[in-house]
Amino acid sequence: QVQLVQSGAEVKKPGASVKVSCTTSGYTFTAYYLEWVRQVPGQGPEWMGSINTFSGDTKYAEKFQGRVTLTRDASINTAYMELSRLRSDDTAVYYCARRYQLMSAWLFDCWGQGTLVIVSS
Amino acid sequence: EIVLTQSPGTLSLSPGERATLSCRASQSVSASYLAWYQKKPGQAPRLLIYGASGRATGIPDRFSGSGSGTDFTLTISRLEPEDFAVYYCQQHASSVTFGGGTKVEIK
Repeated sequence: QVQLVQSGAEVKKPGASVKVSCTTSGYTFTAYYLEWVRQVPGQGPEWMGSINTFSGDTKYAEKFQGRVTLTRDASINTAYMELSRLRSDDTAVYYCARRYQLMSAWLFDCWGQGTLVIVSS
Repeated sequence: EIVLTQSPGTLSLSPGERATLSCRASQSVSASYLAWYQKKPGQAPRLLIYGASGRATGIPDRFSGSGSGTDFTLTISRLEPEDFAVYYCQQHASSVTFGGGTKVEIK
């Protein structure tokens, strides 16, 4: 079955960087885009960006442009999200999600379990 | 950026009742680009509806979606105990944005 397994919780100081991994199984890694979404407690989800796992091309939300970097290593079916210059308001649960495209609809149909990132001095 | 406004913020209902959740977009969104997700504490979001009205795999038929333009609706025909959760709409017509959510709680 399709699985996305993310790396464990992180505690970081303001100004530092964090790198979260998302290892997939049960499907062809390069056949689907991977999306990254975060959720700050008490708020709605927030899209950060997506990566074409075949080509490595990326697209970032304007809010995170310049601070987020999405990469992948297709040899080990793993994608990464690195967020730099962390602030306290980056404290959130970070998710990866597979994008399944059905005609023009995007389906974020399978999700990782989430990675809690706490930014605190 | 397309802003999605969900209402009400909280819906207090009993099991067996009908739930009607609204999602209003700040500009017109093609129905193809509108989805709904369910979120429970400690769990990842779960896709319910795509393309405004298509049910995702494994989603019970008590969940239905409708709408067009700027107004979309998620309806749960008869609430089951496991349906009490937070629901989010999402669009990908222009970048990707989510609404602020509607919490469906037990009355």
